[in-house]
Amino acid sequence: AQSVTQLDSQVPVFEEAPVELRCNYSSSVSVYLFWYVQYPNQGLQLLLKYLSGSTLVKGINGFEAEFNKSQTSFHLRKPSVHISDTAEYFCAVSDRSSGSRLTFGEGTQLTVNP
Amino acid sequence: GAVVSQHPSRVICKSGTSVKIECRSLDFQATTMFWYRQFPKQSLMLMATSNEGSKATYEQGVEKDKFLINHASLTLSTLTVTSAHPEDSSFYICSAPPESQETQYFGPGTRLLVL
Repeated sequence: AQSVTQLDSQVPVFEEAPVELRCNYSSSVSVYLFWYVQYPNQGLQLLLKYLSGSTLVKGINGFEAEFNKSQTSFHLRKPSVHISDTAEYFCAVSDRSSGSRLTFGEGTQLTVNP
Repeated sequence: GAVVSQHPSRVICKSGTSVKIECRSLDFQATTMFWYRQFPKQSLMLMATSNEGSKATYEQGVEKDKFLINHASLTLSTLTVTSAHPEDSSFYICSAPPESQETQYFGPGTRLLVL
């Protein structure tokens, strides 16, 4: 069984500040890791993913994440946020045996203030 | 590429009626699609896995007779909420992975309000 923990339910930051949204997972097998963003009343949009290879993954909108196997983490970062980055962010994990089935974290609400 | 659509985007119905929600993969084929339910300020809860040409697989606690799933083709899955009640009001989201890919792409969601 897998689980995902997003350590912060809410993260308020000021515009142009850096941000890190934390995600830890547990699994007994090798995993695939994802970050999705959800704007109000919309579906989920893929930000980035780690399947294999380089542990530093770059995604859309200037976001990046680093897979740390020893710490079982996949934290999301952005060096300078914009007002438009205000949204809910979900970390998710799957593995080869789960047939693309995702396990989601509880989500982190990022609020960027002017 | 990898676009998933849902229809309708919003539906209001009376208690006791049935509501059908469609999920379509527009530019790829998907033998598997997933249906989620999301309550306000909460994460996504997987309801069932829709399998083209076979029965859906339901998660524990989800009534299969209440939430009927039909995966009629490689690009269409439908979720029917039968005899809807106010407690069924929620945001329903579908997703699909293109063949041989590990990444799921999500539809825009359907807001269901049962009066």
